[in-house]
Amino acid sequence: QLQLQESGPGLVKPSETLSLTCSVSGGSISSSDYYWGWIRQPPGRGLEWIGSIHYSGGSYYNPSLKSRVTMSVDTSKNQFSLNLMSLTAADTAVYYCARDMGTTRFDYWGQGTLVTVSS
Amino acid sequence: QSALTQPASVSGSPGQSITISCTGTSSDVGIYKYVSWYQQHPGKAPKLMIYDVSNRPSGVSNRFSGSKSANTASLTISGLQAEDEADYYCCSYAGSGKKVFGTGTKVTVL
Repeated sequence: QLQLQESGPGLVKPSETLSLTCSVSGGSISSSDYYWGWIRQPPGRGLEWIGSIHYSGGSYYNPSLKSRVTMSVDTSKNQFSLNLMSLTAADTAVYYCARDMGTTRFDYWGQGTLVTVSS
Repeated sequence: QSALTQPASVSGSPGQSITISCTGTSSDVGIYKYVSWYQQHPGKAPKLMIYDVSNRPSGVSNRFSGSKSANTASLTISGLQAEDEADYYCCSYAGSGKKVFGTGTKVTVL
């Protein structure tokens, strides 16, 4: 059974950079069939797709966040990561990682990690 | 890339059927057969219920069904049960690798 687990700081200061990692177990991140995605959800609000990355390095980002987002894959650790720069309070959210079948089919999700942006 | 439009809330009695709409544009829902639906209970991660407009993943009850007409996709829950009370989100492909989620609908079982 595939499992995903997010890790990273729970509190980040405004203007700083958020770095989150998603560890994948029970399957290989190096499968050509899948992308690996990040989705976030501000408290009490809806879901927002941040971006998705393939193990080969190919990636797609939400146009509204593209200027601040970088994603990467570490196949040796079976992990993928998210960097989000220039944080503001509006970036406070639960951040989820998920397996992306390449269209809109996120079939396995992590439990989510709450990130608060505050000084 | 604007969020797809869903009703804020839908309610029904046990055993009834309800339908949740998801309205997009000719640049997303209207042009692609890639619409999915997610169920989210409080404090939990979303769960995939429908993909590619009308396909159910293994293990999802056949009480859940999806369809699409023009720029609007729909999720129907038949034989409503207490456990169906949750938030539901649609998601559409928007071309060039982009995906957009709906605004979300809270389903209440009366």
